[in-house]
Amino acid sequence: QSALTQPASVSGSPGQSITIFCTGTSSDVGTYDYVSWYQHHPGKAPKLIIYEVINRPSGVSNRFSASKSGNTASLTISGLQSEDEADYYCSSFTTINTWVFGGGTKLTVL
Amino acid sequence: QVQLVESGGGVVQPGTSLRLSCAASGFTFRENGMHWVRQAPGKGLEWVALISGDGNNKYYAGSVKGRFTISRDDSKNTLYLQMNSPIADDTAVYYCAKDRSLTWSLDAWGQGTLVTVSS
Repeated sequence: QSALTQPASVSGSPGQSITIFCTGTSSDVGTYDYVSWYQHHPGKAPKLIIYEVINRPSGVSNRFSASKSGNTASLTISGLQSEDEADYYCSSFTTINTWVFGGGTKLTVL
Repeated sequence: QVQLVESGGGVVQPGTSLRLSCAASGFTFRENGMHWVRQAPGKGLEWVALISGDGNNKYYAGSVKGRFTISRDDSKNTLYLQMNSPIADDTAVYYCAKDRSLTWSLDAWGQGTLVTVSS
């Protein structure tokens, strides 16, 4: 199972919006609405910020939104803040009962 | 609150074995599936294995299938990962994570334990 494809890095200024795309295949993203997104500050525990494509867990800021079209999912962060600077990973359940992560995207807040 | 604490990491020689543990608290352990996920130095997250809440179903990434075994002891609220015949590519920080039921997502993670495979 190959990793989902994400850009290695994105950047934005405080207050701006950025979008991270995550491309999979018909064996994962394209088949299931079980795409999730994680925020990871290095040295800390990863944090679930989106599940089932569009849903935010309790306590996650509504500045985080997500969607999916075909084999590609996306995460949008609006009103960028300095604390958003982190690595972001998408993940999907797959047709062979495994999970696959994206390669990760490093977000830099300029 | 949910707490997951991994232990058991260290330096291990190729071809030997190592067992990782993950102590869970703050939720009903026996009702939840549990995952192991790893991150090699400078790399992204890689899913390793899942065990269902009842322990009857186990799934593995192709890279570890046949070498690693996931298990759980509900009486101790502890998750395990038995690593047999480790190779250099298994060097990583290993995280345990709680499965968010029916959403196929991981909603709580530990801080991780570092495993270094080296002779």
